[in-house]
Amino acid sequence: QVQLQESGPGLVKPSETLSLTCAVSGYSISSGYYWGWIRQPPGKGLQWIGKIHYSGSTYYNPSLESRVTMSFDTSKNQFSLNLRSVTDADTAVYYCARVSSSSYCDYWGQGTVVTVSS
Amino acid sequence: QSALTQPPSASGSPGQSVTISCTGTSSDVGGYNYVSWYQRHPGKAPKLMIYDVTKRPSGVPDRFSGSKSGNTASLTVSGLQAEDEADYYCCSYAGNSNLVFGGGTKLTVL
Repeated sequence: QVQLQESGPGLVKPSETLSLTCAVSGYSISSGYYWGWIRQPPGKGLQWIGKIHYSGSTYYNPSLESRVTMSFDTSKNQFSLNLRSVTDADTAVYYCARVSSSSYCDYWGQGTVVTVSS
Repeated sequence: QSALTQPPSASGSPGQSVTISCTGTSSDVGGYNYVSWYQRHPGKAPKLMIYDVTKRPSGVPDRFSGSKSGNTASLTVSGLQAEDEADYYCCSYAGNSNLVFGGGTKLTVL
């Protein structure tokens, strides 16, 4: 059974970088699939952040592209999200997920709450 | 791209059917057969219920079905059960490797 678990600081100061990691178990991330990040701001719907392919190719939401970087750590079977220059608007529950080639997310993490505040 | 439009709430009695709509544009829902639906219970991870508009993953009851007409996709839950009470989100491929989600629908089983 594929399982994903997000981890990272729950509180980030404005203008700093939000860094999250998603640990994957039950599947080797270098075996295939895309691996993505989705977030949900308070009171709003889900928002696509982007995805990374096991080959290293990345695809980001154009509205966030200038601030986002995703990467792999295959030795630890995990992938990461960095979001730079955060503001209050980046406060959200952040989810990681496995993404198929036809763009559905078949396995998700439980989500981690990140608050941007000084 | 703008979020897909879903009704904020839907409800039905046990045994009844309920349909949740998801309206987009010709650049997302209407342009691709890559619509998926997710169920999320409070505090739990979202669960894939429907993918590629009409397909059900293994283990999802056949009470759940998906369809699409033009720029609007729909999720129908037949034979409502108490455990179906949850938030439901639609998602569509929107081109250039981007996805767009709906705002979510809270389904209440009366």
